[in-house]
Amino acid sequence: GQQLNQSPQSMFIQEGEDVSMNCTSSSIFNTWLWYKQDPGEGPVLLIALYKAGELTSNGRLTAQFGITRKDSFLNISASIPSDVGIYFCAGQNTGNQFYFGTGTSLTVIP
Amino acid sequence: ETGVTQTPRHLVMGMTNKKSLKCEQHLGHNAMYWYKQSAKKPLELMFVYSLEERVENNSVPSRFSPECPNSSHLFLHLHTLQPEDSALYLCASSQDNWETQYFGPGTRLLVL
Repeated sequence: GQQLNQSPQSMFIQEGEDVSMNCTSSSIFNTWLWYKQDPGEGPVLLIALYKAGELTSNGRLTAQFGITRKDSFLNISASIPSDVGIYFCAGQNTGNQFYFGTGTSLTVIP
Repeated sequence: ETGVTQTPRHLVMGMTNKKSLKCEQHLGHNAMYWYKQSAKKPLELMFVYSLEERVENNSVPSRFSPECPNSSHLFLHLHTLQPEDSALYLCASSQDNWETQYFGPGTRLLVL
């Protein structure tokens, strides 16, 4: 079945550094979503992408819908301590099924 | 953000207990979902309700029983659970079936 491969699994970075993570699928997706989950909380939607090649920003976060429609990228610029958490990608395929990645755990060292 | 609320936030239960999880959405959405989140695993979709009708049941054991009395409320009734059912149970809603989903804070369940 389809899987979403999210990488890296974890990141340890210094405050102020930029962060990049990505998500790939084995098949074409129509929608890519990026969520952040804080400990003990549910995922919060950060960015939604609906068109191949689309580049969308939300503050210091920028996400892109890959032109192959099989991948997506999330970048965080100038990281701060409150960026700590787990970042999940989610994709919706042509059959309208949603799949979630296993998450990237981000630690920001002050 | 209080668009989707869940109660209780934490629950400890024995294997012979019966309990219920509650989810309420204040977003005017038509679809609601239950997910199970276990450590190191992707979110697992359990049930989908659209306009109060169950449209998907992802091979979930019968010890989990969902109920959707109206488009704003979703319950997950639990009985005779197993320790491996311990997880974070997340509720989500979307405007219509399979559109972008918004999650509640989850119920952390521990089965002893």
